[in-house]
Amino acid sequence: QQQVKQSPQSLIVQKGGISIINCAYENTAFDYFPWYQQFPGKGPALLIAIRPDVSEKKEGRFTISFNKSAKQFSLHIMDSQPGDSATYFCAASYGNKLVFGAGTILRVKS
Amino acid sequence: GAVVSQHPSRVICKSGTSVKIECRSLDFQATTMFWYRQFPKKSLMLMATSNEGSKATYEQGVEKDKFLINHASLTLSTLTVTSAHPEDSSFYICSATTGSNSNQPQHFGDGTRLSIL
Repeated sequence: QQQVKQSPQSLIVQKGGISIINCAYENTAFDYFPWYQQFPGKGPALLIAIRPDVSEKKEGRFTISFNKSAKQFSLHIMDSQPGDSATYFCAASYGNKLVFGAGTILRVKS
Repeated sequence: GAVVSQHPSRVICKSGTSVKIECRSLDFQATTMFWYRQFPKKSLMLMATSNEGSKATYEQGVEKDKFLINHASLTLSTLTVTSAHPEDSSFYICSATTGSNSNQPQHFGDGTRLSIL
């Protein structure tokens, strides 16, 4: 019940393309769903986050889509750039404790 | 804003020694700090949660006598890996938040690469 399942494990996208990463959860008590970006040798950086009362949130090229009934949420990266190449983690929290997905290694080819 | 500094960034030491890692919130007061462990190409696994002035709460399977956590002030938490062995080699990451609920996001440090020879 505490798991967050993330897919795909890795993703290769052409420059300018759309990168899509999906996550699913079971625990309906989760009330905060952030996405983190991590570069090698660095800590995760908060990218964008959403709460379950909203179905979509957009910040620049990054959009979260949230489907409460399906208990799924996804990250869309529009106009993907080589600098977006990193590992992306979805997460879910209840209270202040985060449960992370397994991560997606994104590579954007120039 | 919301900068978390972790020190050292990398440490290499001999088996049997103890290693202390510091986590500081530079521009905010962190009521709660978290310690994570991350293996190569794997996700972050929560080790413990520490609130300022209180004993840390450890996740199941994490040895509290092995991983000593101190959160003596609102800007500093330390993780001490006692009598470290090669299996303790990992990437340790801290995070900090100002709140006790999910309204306040966690801000992460840049991690400490620990290598035990």
